[in-house]
Amino acid sequence: DGGITQSPKYLFRKEGQNVTLSCEQNLNHDAMYWYRQDPGQGLRLIYYSQIVNDFQKGDIAEGYSVSREKKESFPLTVTSAQKNPTAFYLCASSMGRRDGYTFGSGTRLTVV
Amino acid sequence: EDQVTQSPEALRLQEGESSSLNCSYTVSGLRGLFWYRQDPGKGPEFLFTLYSAGEEKEKERLKATLTKKESFLHITAPKPEDSATYLCAVQGNTGGFKTIFGAGTRLFVKA
Repeated sequence: DGGITQSPKYLFRKEGQNVTLSCEQNLNHDAMYWYRQDPGQGLRLIYYSQIVNDFQKGDIAEGYSVSREKKESFPLTVTSAQKNPTAFYLCASSMGRRDGYTFGSGTRLTVV
Repeated sequence: EDQVTQSPEALRLQEGESSSLNCSYTVSGLRGLFWYRQDPGKGPEFLFTLYSAGEEKEKERLKATLTKKESFLHITAPKPEDSATYLCAVQGNTGGFKTIFGAGTRLFVKA
């Protein structure tokens, strides 16, 4: 079955460390997105990519970086510059810009 | 600035007690309004897309409607398995077709 796979499901990071969250899709979707979800808030856009080798900053890109070397993959790196990284991170994809998103199951990142 | 406000924050229903969730929005040139369902600890699941005022879509016990200022998600005779957080999102003409999400309505259905 087609879908989006995020790994790991849970991730613990020490302060000062960079960590990379994996996102892979086999839906043949062109667009991919990274969102952050915090309790009581709407999903906030970190980065998005509409084609391979191209990506754009979202509303809260500071302290994060991404790459889009393959259509299927859109990894997110949370750097030590991100001041409050503890959150639930969601990866999504869509066929076109006006289509609904297919989401992965999320990665819960905790800084210890 | 594009905004999405969902109400109520939480809703508790008895099984079979129909009700509605509200999504009020402000957007420059609506290109689409989306409803998602999210279970605890999981990613959202796409339910509906509405593109223009007057449009309606249905799926099992759920019916989504759209006006120029708000959308409603009507739940008819809900069951405990309908318990989840329901998210509304809008996409406008500005900001590169960016999608703005509301904070969601947590629905609890008691048997």
